[in-house]
Parts: sequence; C-alpha cells; structure tokens
Amino acid sequence: QSVLTQPASVSGSPGQSITISCTGTSSDVGAYNYVSWYQQHPGKAPKLMIYNVNNRPSGVSNRFSGSKSGNTASLAISGLQAEDEADYYCSSYTTSRTLIFGGGSKVTVL
Amino acid sequence: EEQLVDSGGDLVQPGGSLRLSCAASGFNFSSYWMTWVRQAPGRGLEWVANIKPDGSDRYYVDSVKGRFTISRDNAKNSLYLQLNSLRVEDTAVYYCVRDRITPSVWGQGTRVTVSS
Repeated sequence: QSVLTQPASVSGSPGQSITISCTGTSSDVGAYNYVSWYQQHPGKAPKLMIYNVNNRPSGVSNRFSGSKSGNTASLAISGLQAEDEADYYCSSYTTSRTLIFGGGSKVTVL
Repeated sequence: EEQLVDSGGDLVQPGGSLRLSCAASGFNFSSYWMTWVRQAPGRGLEWVANIKPDGSDRYYVDSVKGRFTISRDNAKNSLYLQLNSLRVEDTAVYYCVRDRITPSVWGQGTRVTVSS
C-alpha cells in the first residue's frame, strides 16, 4: 500500500496560480472518480477542499479547482493568497476498498 | 453541526495497549462508513482502518492487521479503535473521520505516543 506521488513543495507569489499533481495507478486514481484534496494548516485537522475530482464543498473558495487525466489528478489554486499557505494532500479510493493518501505538498506563498 | 470528537490518546510503552474513542453528533452516524486516519510527527496522512455502517465489514492497513481493531456502537454514536502490541512507529495523531471514500468530517485528533 504505497502513497500517491505529490511534489514535496510548490510555491508562488500572491495573485499567481499554482498546480499540485497527484499520481497514482490504475488501481486507485485511474480506477474511480473518487479523488479528494485536503488543506492542512500546522497543528490543525485536514479540511476537505475538493471531492470526486472536481467538486467543491459548500464554503470552499472557487479559487480551488480539481481535475484528472488517467492516473494523475491535479489541484489548481488561482489568485494565490497568504492564507493558502499550508500542506495539501490528495486521496483516492482504491479497488481494494481502502483509502490511499498522497505524501503531501507544502505550498509556500512568496 | 456535524462533529466528531476524538479522545483516548496517551503515552504508552512499546507492547502496550490503548483504546481510542470518537463521539459523533449532528448527523446520522449509523448510516455512514467510518474511518481512522493517522499522522506521524512531521509526516503525511495514513489510512488505518474503516468499518461498515452496521459493523459487519472492516478493513485495515497491512501494518496494523492483527494488532488494531476498529469497532462501533451505533446506539451511542461512537467509533472505537483498540490498539494492541503498540510499536514506536505507531506514534501519531489519530483522526476519526466520516466516510470511506471522501472523508468529509474530521475529528480534532488524539495523540498516541509509544515510547519507553
């Protein structure tokens, strides 16, 4: 049960757009449209930002969007703001009826 | 408000046991799969186990099979994780989470430290 592959860090200036990738296999990311993204600030519990590849829960800014192609999913953040600085994790349901997470990406706002 | 409150974390010696609890409120607990996720210090999130709404099906990550047991009491809106034969590498914050496909509601986490 390996983790999904994410870049360790991504950075951008305020107002810019960034993208975080999440690469899995045909047994997880590629198998279903059940990819989610979470934001985690230090010392806090993760917060759901995107579910089912490209859906935003109520209350999440439309600056966050998701997509998927084959075995790779992506999270895009537009109009980067200081409050977006956090760790971001992807997750995917798997064909083994388990959940797998990415290794996490630290987003830095320059 | 949909809420999960985790408790039971503590400092325990290697080989010891602990029982984590999670109290749910604000939603129909008995209708949802429930999940435990952990996060070791400075590390990423790791799925640990999940359990079917009626408790009849359970799944575990390989590293805890035979040592951890997930259970639930729908009458008490509560989820549990029994941790036995604890190892240093089990040190983590443990989160109770609603659902198995899209964890949408998270507890605040409870800290388990395994050390001599």
